[in-house]
Amino acid sequence: NAGVTQTPKFQVLKTGQSMTLQCAQDMNHNSMYWYRQDPGMGLRLIYYSASEGTTDKGEVPNGYNVSRLNKREFSLRLESAAPSQTSVYFCASSGSNPETQYFGPGTRLLVL
Amino acid sequence: AQRVTQPEKLLSVFKGAPVELKCNYSYSGSPELFWYVQYSRQRLQLLLRHISRESIKGFTADLNKGETSFHLKKPFAQEEDSAMYYCALSGVRGGKLIFGQGTELSVKP
Repeated sequence: NAGVTQTPKFQVLKTGQSMTLQCAQDMNHNSMYWYRQDPGMGLRLIYYSASEGTTDKGEVPNGYNVSRLNKREFSLRLESAAPSQTSVYFCASSGSNPETQYFGPGTRLLVL
Repeated sequence: AQRVTQPEKLLSVFKGAPVELKCNYSYSGSPELFWYVQYSRQRLQLLLRHISRESIKGFTADLNKGETSFHLKKPFAQEEDSAMYYCALSGVRGGKLIFGQGTELSVKP
């Protein structure tokens, strides 16, 4: 039981490049989330998906898109990366108790 | 607006000393409050929630609606308590958590 997995672990991009961060969970959870973690800012919700087929904006959605591919997978896409998107990105999922969230190991993204 | 404030970036104490990590929130309704913890090289995980009114790893937290606070306390800190602690608020049921800035707790031997 791997829980929440994220790929890649680390990525360096140039400004303007695009990439997709992958997230998968094997706990049969309905809800999934994407956060970014920045020093002094804590974790901020980018997008979330309450169930398969639905997605909603969080606190900081600009510059990102998401896809809930199926119940297991929730991807985050940066269409045109900017240095301000340099951050650590965490994926999380939750089941019947939505506030009890299970986090992945994170993806460190550096945009030059 | 919903907001969670953790005024201390870093809290350093000696082993055996009491520790209190402060958390203040802003929310007009009846929030649910949580503490999440991230130990070195481990994933962020739920430590405790105010509804449960339980003690986890010796930590307790009481919701004070009058002071809009949810401080995390432990009477005798241990070195293994060193970690990053995040206070979080859920105002509307559905999993949308608002996190504070985080406090790094360092427990020295």
